[in-house]
Amino acid sequence: GAVVSQHPSWVICKSGTSVKIECRSLDFQATTMFWYRQFPKQSLMLMATSNEGSKATYEQGVEKDKFLINHASLTLSTLTVTSAHPEDSSFYICSARDPTGINEKLFFGSGTQLSVL
Amino acid sequence: GNSVTQMEGPVTLSEEAFLTINCTYTATGYPSLFWYVQYPGEGLQLLLKATKADDKGSNKGFEATYRKETTSFHLEKGSVQVSDSAVYFCALIQIIQGAQKLVFGQGTRLTINP
Repeated sequence: GAVVSQHPSWVICKSGTSVKIECRSLDFQATTMFWYRQFPKQSLMLMATSNEGSKATYEQGVEKDKFLINHASLTLSTLTVTSAHPEDSSFYICSARDPTGINEKLFFGSGTQLSVL
Repeated sequence: GNSVTQMEGPVTLSEEAFLTINCTYTATGYPSLFWYVQYPGEGLQLLLKATKADDKGSNKGFEATYRKETTSFHLEKGSVQVSDSAVYFCALIQIIQGAQKLVFGQGTRLTINP
């Protein structure tokens, strides 16, 4: 079964509203989570790295005030798209790093398709 | 910077056909290379990986060989099944300021018809 749960799987919202996407690790504590975005026919692009209890590290070109990331617990990270506009319509995926065991493993959520009208 | 380019999909094949999904990369040094698969409604899963030149990763009948001379990591399977229908992502690891980050290709949607 899924070890990372991402919710919602799709959302449609009006321009100017905010949308929150949740990413939960189900079977392990994730000190680090990642948020990616994919535009049609383009690569999955890393947006930010989220560390529990500290501020997220954003990739170049990603607006931190627009894409708010909160990683308040070891099993939950949220991405809030504030004042969403049509150009924010995209596929968003989270991943969580399981640090236990000999080899660290990376698990992915199933993604969220955001459509902004 | 580092980048990954995959063959553009979608790819549609009949069951038992031979599959190749091309992947080439641009990178400094010799990064580890990966193939991830995303089945409908699920998260990406690691399918196989190779950590150095000439290594062959294999899993579930899929194979990919790390070719340094052609900077490629093409995914192959000799006889595909309907259950292989999914989106496949090629990726590499890059290290920036001490942190490991995955760089993905755009994904290739594969549909296998019975």
